[in-house]
Amino acid sequence: NAGVTQTPKFRILKIGQSMTLQCTQDMNHNYMYWYRQDPGMGLKLIYYSVGAGITDKGEVPNGYNVSRSTTEDFPLRLELAAPSQTSVYFCASSYLAGYPYEQYFGPGTRLTVT
Amino acid sequence: KQEVTQIPAALSVPEGENLVLNCSFTDSAIYNLQWFRQDPGKGLTSLLLIQSSQREQTSGRLNASLDKSSGRSTLYIAASQPGDSATYLCAASGNTPLVFGKGTRLSVIA
Repeated sequence: NAGVTQTPKFRILKIGQSMTLQCTQDMNHNYMYWYRQDPGMGLKLIYYSVGAGITDKGEVPNGYNVSRSTTEDFPLRLELAAPSQTSVYFCASSYLAGYPYEQYFGPGTRLTVT
Repeated sequence: KQEVTQIPAALSVPEGENLVLNCSFTDSAIYNLQWFRQDPGKGLTSLLLIQSSQREQTSGRLNASLDKSSGRSTLYIAASQPGDSATYLCAASGNTPLVFGKGTRLSVIA
């Protein structure tokens, strides 16, 4: 199993541009999550999904959109990129929520908006 | 709203020392608490997951404890090694998905 994969690894955007961060998991997990991590900070939840066709907002959803058309994929869309969205973005998945279903994380996408 | 705090923010110890990392949370109505390791520029690796009804979990040189009533968890690392150098994050799961602390950056000096 490849686990959770994310593309791209790095990206530089100009202010106002848009892009999609890709996330795929091959573990047949129901739950998928998007987090952002700013320097010296913990992770903050952007959006999550409990299954195909179902998404919900996390702590910091403004400026982002998600969709979940399949169990495997959970792309994150940035519309009109702003410097405040410069961060490292992590995708994660779990079979279910709560014990004993731990979350597995992808390697991250480092995004810079200038 | 759940808030998770980790103290200290950074820690430097000589190789071989036993050490404790602290994590506190404000809402004791958690389902579980998870400890992660993050290497520089990398993703997160799950170390230990403790269910709310459990008191501790062990994996090798690592032991995590949970005291819901006081809102605290500790990660004990025995006989530390330079390879243990990383940032350690704790995260609490309740009615909402994981809420993370800011992490403790550990340096183990050979």
